[in-house]
Amino acid sequence: DAMVIQNPRYQVTQFGKPVTLSCSQTLNHNVMYWYQQKSSQAPKLLFHYYDKDFNNEADTPDNFQSRRPNTSFCFLDIRSPGLGDAAMYLCATNPRVVDQPQHFGDGTRLSIL
Amino acid sequence: SQQGEEDPQALSIQEGENATMNCSYKTSINNLQWYRQNSGRGLVHLILIRSNEREKHSGRLRVTLDTSKKSSSLLITASRAADTASYFCATDGSGNTPLVFGKGTRLSVIA
Repeated sequence: DAMVIQNPRYQVTQFGKPVTLSCSQTLNHNVMYWYQQKSSQAPKLLFHYYDKDFNNEADTPDNFQSRRPNTSFCFLDIRSPGLGDAAMYLCATNPRVVDQPQHFGDGTRLSIL
Repeated sequence: SQQGEEDPQALSIQEGENATMNCSYKTSINNLQWYRQNSGRGLVHLILIRSNEREKHSGRLRVTLDTSKKSSSLLITASRAADTASYFCATDGSGNTPLVFGKGTRLSVIA
C-alpha cells in the first residue's frame, strides 16, 4: 500500500558523476516536493511542483534540477555531485487542499565516493 | 528560512513516562503539523492543528497551540520503546508557501 515510492533506497555515486533519484505516487496529488535532509537536521526544501509549475527555492544550488513528466512521477537530477551533497533525499506529496498534511516516501540515501 | 524551533533537542525517558516536546515559531500560520521520523525512514504525519484550535487529541498524542505565544506542544502519554524517533513540527503559512520544518526533537524511550 506504499503511496509515495522512492527508488532506490540507497544510491552510491562517484564525485562529479550525474545521478538521478526517482519518486512516484499513487495518490494523484497535485503537489510534489523534494527535500534534502542531512544527519540530525530538519528537511530542507529544494523545490516543488504545483502540477507542472516548477518552484525553486532561492538557495537551492544550480547543481540540482528536477523533472515532472506527469502527475505520478518526479525526478531529482544532481548534475555533478560533490561530497557535500551526501544526504537523505525525501520526496513528498500534497493534494493542494487547505489543511492537508504532506505524505512522504521513505527517502533515498545518497553517498558520494 | 527555518521557522519552527523544537525544544528540547533530545529527550530520554523510561517506558511508561510521558514525553513533552515544544515548538516555537515566528510568523502567522494557517496550521501547525507534527511529524515523526524513524531512523532512516521518511516523515509520517501525526497530527495537524489549525490556527483557530487550541488543543487536539489523537490516541496517546495531545497537541496544544498557543498562537499568542507562537508555540505548540506535543505530549505523548504512556510512552513505549516504539515511540523512539525524531519528532518535527512544521508550520503552514498563508497562501501557497510550503511547510517550514523545525530542527526536531530526538526522543529515546528506554524499555
